[in-house]
Amino acid sequence: QKEVEQNSGPLSVPEGAIASLNCTYSDRGSQSFFWYRQYSGKSPELIMFIYSNGDKEDGRFTAQLNKASQYVSLLIRDSQPSDSATYLCAAPERDSGGGADGLTFGKGTHLIIQP
Amino acid sequence: DGGITQSPKYLFRKEGQNVTLSCEQNLNHDAMYWYRQDPGQGLRLIYYSQIVNDFQKGDIAEGYSVSREKKESFPLTVTSAQKNPTAFYLCASRVGGANTEAFFGQGTRLTVV
Repeated sequence: QKEVEQNSGPLSVPEGAIASLNCTYSDRGSQSFFWYRQYSGKSPELIMFIYSNGDKEDGRFTAQLNKASQYVSLLIRDSQPSDSATYLCAAPERDSGGGADGLTFGKGTHLIIQP
Repeated sequence: DGGITQSPKYLFRKEGQNVTLSCEQNLNHDAMYWYRQDPGQGLRLIYYSQIVNDFQKGDIAEGYSVSREKKESFPLTVTSAQKNPTAFYLCASRVGGANTEAFFGQGTRLTVV
């Protein structure tokens, strides 16, 4: 059973600072990861996808993947109050044929940006 | 506009009653999924379908049933056998393949009264 682990938080960060969110995973065969943002009472929305070791940047967001350490992180620069949400890390399941059954989600980290 | 539509947004169920949650997508995605989310918890997979007329149990399928008669539709029935159905239910779809994102509907909040 694949596991995706996240610290549930809450993680409190002052406005304008860098928020760092972390995720570890148990399946060494995992090749790609998704970061979703979920506002309270709403559905998750994709903010980053990464499948290569190293960093991927998109605006204020940077995803970092270290396959050797089985670790993926999300950095949010210049944090804004509107970034306050729960951030979910997800990895694709793999069926016996190598296809994808779905996504396994971590429990999410609740991020609070303090004005 | 393409997307996934779940209905209703809020649903109330009486004890012993079956209820059906609707999920429709016009993204032409092959794969569809149902997840359950409880407060402070992540998403847990109930059922998924990779092709019409075929579906598989996820991690918490007991007390739920689904059908996939059309590519666009993947309704979820919460049966009376599900003893603790109060939760936020999310439907998602994907093109298919490991490196494709899941798109979510707006969710249905089910409450037992």
